[in-house]
Amino acid sequence: EDKVVQSPLSLVVHEGDTVTLNCSYEVTNFRSLLWYKQEKKAPTFLFMLTSSGIEKKSGRLSSILDKKELFSILNITATQTGDSAVYLCAVNNQGGKLIFGQGTELSVKP
Amino acid sequence: KAGVTQTPRYLIKTRGQQVTLSCSPISGHRSVSWYQQTPGQGLQFLFEYFSETQRNKGNFPGRFSGRQFSNSRSEMNVSTLELGDSALYLCASSRTYTYEQYFGPGTRLTVT
Repeated sequence: EDKVVQSPLSLVVHEGDTVTLNCSYEVTNFRSLLWYKQEKKAPTFLFMLTSSGIEKKSGRLSSILDKKELFSILNITATQTGDSAVYLCAVNNQGGKLIFGQGTELSVKP
Repeated sequence: KAGVTQTPRYLIKTRGQQVTLSCSPISGHRSVSWYQQTPGQGLQFLFEYFSETQRNKGNFPGRFSGRQFSNSRSEMNVSTLELGDSALYLCASSRTYTYEQYFGPGTRLTVT
C-alpha cells in the first residue's frame, strides 16, 4: 500500500531556531514530491521535487529529495511566528492523485 | 491571475440529502482533483478530472461522484449524505498532472 509518513508530528520551537521536517514515502511509480503549508485554510504550495539531490530554495525555506532512500526534508531557517502552520508532504504517483502524509504541526514561539 | 475558487464556502445539510460542490480552476489549468480533509483521516484523494474525463478515483463509495465541463470547471456530488461526510472538501487545479497542484479555499460541509 502506498504511504507517506512525516515526522515529527508536532514541533515547538522559538523564533530564530532552524527546523528540519522529514517525509518518507513508499509508493509505486513515483512522479514527484510536493510540500505544502496549511494555516487554518487551504494548503499553500511550497515546492515540487522530482530529482534527487537538487535543492529547491525560497527565502528561508529549502527542500531536497533523496529518491534512493525515499525521503525528503524541508528546512526552515531563522523561524518566525508566521511560520507556525501544518506542513504537508505529498507524493504524486498516478496522474493527478496526491498521497498526503499526516502533516507536521509547527509552532513557533516568540 | 485568479486562484482556484470554490462555492459554496460553507454548507449545512441533513442526513440523507445530497449536495453539489463547485470548483473553478486557475485559468489555463485543465486538471482538477478533489480531496476530503478530516481531522482523523487527513487529506484523502477523491478523484481527478482532465479534459472532462475522470482519470483517477480514490477509495470512496459510489455516493461520491464528479464531473468536469468543457471550460474545466468541475463539480462533485455526494448523495445520501452521512454524518461521516462532514469534512472540508478541497479542489486543486494544475496545468496537467505533471505540474504542481494549487488548492482552492475549500467547502466546509457539515452533515447533521
